[in-house]
Amino acid sequence: AQSVTQLDSHVSVSEGTPVLLRCNYSSSYSPSLFWYVQHPNKGLQLLLKYTSAATLVKGINGFEAEFKKSETSFHLTKPSAHMSDAAEYFCVVTLLTGNQFYFGTGTSLTVIP
Amino acid sequence: EAQVTQNPRYLITVTGKKLTVTCSQNMNHEYMSWYRQDPGLGLRQIYYSMNVEVTDKGDVPEGYKVSRKEKRNFPLILESPSPNQTSLYFCASRRGQNYGYTFGSGTRLTVV
Repeated sequence: AQSVTQLDSHVSVSEGTPVLLRCNYSSSYSPSLFWYVQHPNKGLQLLLKYTSAATLVKGINGFEAEFKKSETSFHLTKPSAHMSDAAEYFCVVTLLTGNQFYFGTGTSLTVIP
Repeated sequence: EAQVTQNPRYLITVTGKKLTVTCSQNMNHEYMSWYRQDPGLGLRQIYYSMNVEVTDKGDVPEGYKVSRKEKRNFPLILESPSPNQTSLYFCASRRGQNYGYTFGSGTRLTVV
């Protein structure tokens, strides 16, 4: 079985400071991992994905994530938060051979001016 | 523009009245899926489809039906809606297993 846990339901950072959103997964096999962002009253947008290539993945809007198999983690980071980053972020895991896409419960990011 | 289009965006209905939420994608994607989003629960998969005439249950399929008669369309059918199906619904499609989903804008359904 596979699942994904987002360790923080809410994160607040000041504008210009680093962002860290934590995600741990459990999977019996090699997973694919994704981060999505959802702005208020909007759909979901793909930020980045890991599918067994480079372990450090760069995404849109300056976000990146590192796949650490030994820690079963896929944390999302950004060096400097911007006001427009305020949104809900979802970590997703799926098997390379799987058809189901498992979402974490989300982390709400607040950026303080 | 490559997109997933779902309609309607908002729907209020009464218990027991059959309804259909349509979903269409113009990217020739093999995979399509329906999710519901509820506060504190994230997104949960209702049904997914790997190709025309191939569908399977997700985590919360009870009370829903789907069909995939054409590659581009994947409607979600609620035969007899109940208040616990009040939720925000998303349709999504993707090219294949190594790809992320592209999501529609969502349908906010209220069942009274």
